[in-house]
Amino acid sequence: EIVLTQSPATLSLSPGERATLSCRASQSVDSYLAWYQRKPGQAPRLLIYDSSIRATGIPARFSGSGSGTDFTLTISSLEPEDIAVYYCQQRQSRPVEYTFGQGTKLEIK
Amino acid sequence: EVQLLESGGGLVQPGGSLRLSCAASGFTFSSYAMSWVRLSPGKGLEWVSGITGSGSSTPYADSVKGRFAIFRDNSNNMLYLQMNNLRAEDTALYFCVRRACTTTTCSYFDHWGQGIAVTVAS
Repeated sequence: EIVLTQSPATLSLSPGERATLSCRASQSVDSYLAWYQRKPGQAPRLLIYDSSIRATGIPARFSGSGSGTDFTLTISSLEPEDIAVYYCQQRQSRPVEYTFGQGTKLEIK
Repeated sequence: EVQLLESGGGLVQPGGSLRLSCAASGFTFSSYAMSWVRLSPGKGLEWVSGITGSGSSTPYADSVKGRFAIFRDNSNNMLYLQMNNLRAEDTALYFCVRRACTTTTCSYFDHWGQGIAVTVAS
């Protein structure tokens, strides 16, 4: 099983600051990694897939990078509505299994 | 507009059973693989089970294998999760999710329902 480890667990920043969230895989997942945002009381939303491609309707301030085992989600200039928990996710094929990181909680000061 | 609406959750005693349902609309249901993903305070997000568009393949997480069964009714655009022999650790918010395919992989979940709560307690 591929384990995804996210850091930090909690990130507290001010509006306008840059947020950098990390996701590390226990073995290579090539570029097949996604990021999701879950705001309080809402369903998770797909932000980024294939490591760096923004999903439909996602603002340009969200960007993803990385390949192999190390991945980063960057929010270039924080907005108050970005308060959420962010999860990374990957899929392995044999056996079929999808795993998520434990999440990074983003707080706005 | 894609919509996924879960129902069937609630409070159940350990060892009991529950069936979750998901009504899908706004897309050609039979063309998409679907999954159930759960969220619990202790474990975060956890994929539970998936099913291909035809229903021919149904992988499960080890934590639910032999206890849960996923199935679908493509004629009525419905997804189900039959949960038997429930345990306290199955307590979670359960999401019905649609799997997305890119040009190179089918690995992500592009639409999520609002979730339905399942509580296993005596």
